[in-house]
Amino acid sequence: EPEVTQTPSHQVTQMGQEVILRCVPISNHLYFYWYRQILGQKVEFLVSFYNNEISEKSEIFDDQFSVERPDGSNFTLKIRSTKLEDSAMYFCASSPQVVGEKLFFGSGTQLSVL
Amino acid sequence: DQQVKQNSPSLSVQEGRISILNCDYTNSMFDYFLWYKKYPAEGPTFLISISSIKDKNEDGRFTVFLNKSAKHLSLHIVPSQPGDSAVYFCAASAASGTYKYIFGTGTRLKVLA
Repeated sequence: EPEVTQTPSHQVTQMGQEVILRCVPISNHLYFYWYRQILGQKVEFLVSFYNNEISEKSEIFDDQFSVERPDGSNFTLKIRSTKLEDSAMYFCASSPQVVGEKLFFGSGTQLSVL
Repeated sequence: DQQVKQNSPSLSVQEGRISILNCDYTNSMFDYFLWYKKYPAEGPTFLISISSIKDKNEDGRFTVFLNKSAKHLSLHIVPSQPGDSAVYFCAASAASGTYKYIFGTGTRLKVLA
């Protein structure tokens, strides 16, 4: 079964550094998402992406965050200047359509900001 | 702003018995609902969905019930198995004007052998 792949599985960085989290969504999917889960808390929506632009973003997704689909297969999340509170598990997800369709999640990148 | 709530953080059930996980929502525009299972250090895995035009959907041991008037849905697992032990999230979406699913806080299910 096709799957969403995420790299790296773990990322440790110093506060203030830039990080890029990478995802390869399922190839025929059109909608792409980033979610995150701070330890023990709920899975929180960050951003959705369709047709090479952001469709919707949450209040968490401030100017320090950006997303890109640079080559038609990868989907990246960049955090320009990481803060301690950015430490979380970041999940990429994709779906073939936006309405009435399940999301397929990757296994996540655990980001630790020191 | 908790539009989707799972008020039970944990639940323990004996193997073979029924597990019932509950979810409440506040936004009447939600019309599509998903249940996900999550193991530690893994991504959420889709279990079952239901749209607002239905009040029940079954898939094997899993059944989801939707009560639109009460803004409540529940996931029934029968019979429960030790491998079902995981955190279960419900998620909701509105068909119009949004591109996101809102997740609940999760319920940790432990099935005792």
